Amino acid sequence: AQSVTQLGSHVSVSEGALVLLRCNYSSSVPPYLFWYVQYPNQGLQLLLKYTSAATLVKGINGFEAEFKKSETSFHLTKPSAHMSDAAEYFCAVSPTDSWGKLQFGAGTQVVVTP
Amino acid sequence: DGGITQSPKYLFRKEGQNVTLSCEQNLNHDAMYWYRQDPGQGLRLIYYSQIVNDFQKGDIAEGYSVSREKKESFPLTVTSAQKNPTAFYLCASRFAGDAFFGQGTRLTVV
Repeated sequence: AQSVTQLGSHVSVSEGALVLLRCNYSSSVPPYLFWYVQYPNQGLQLLLKYTSAATLVKGINGFEAEFKKSETSFHLTKPSAHMSDAAEYFCAVSPTDSWGKLQFGAGTQVVVTP
Repeated sequence: DGGITQSPKYLFRKEGQNVTLSCEQNLNHDAMYWYRQDPGQGLRLIYYSQIVNDFQKGDIAEGYSVSREKKESFPLTVTSAQKNPTAFYLCASRFAGDAFFGQGTRLTVV
């Protein structure tokens, strides 16, 4: 069985401050891990993914995430928040095939204050 | 343009009626997925299909049905057995691990 847990349903950051969104996974085998972003009333857009290559993964819009097997974590960071980063962010896990069960966390709503 | 199309964007139905949500993709992806999104609960997997004429139940399949007769199409029927069908429904297809999402259908049952 596999699952992800996102710590914190809401995060508020100041513009220009560090963004840190936490994700821990549970999986019986090494998984693939993903971060997605969702703007209101829209679908999800892939930010970045870990597929067992480099443990530090860089994505779009200045985001990056580090896979830490010892901590079963895949936290998402961005050094400097921008107003356009206000959205909901989802961590997801799947088996290491390309078409298996893809499961999401509960999401973290990010608010960026001026 | 290639992508995933969900229709309609908004759907209203009376309680007790079945309703079918459309999902079409022209990305030539084998795998397709249906998720339900409720506030504070993230995306919950309803059904997924890895190949034509085959599909598997997700975590909350009760009250829903799907078909996969063509690679491009994966319609979802919300039946009258679904106790609380009002939600935002998202369809996705997947290739090389990456999932691509449609814009969603917001279903309201009155």
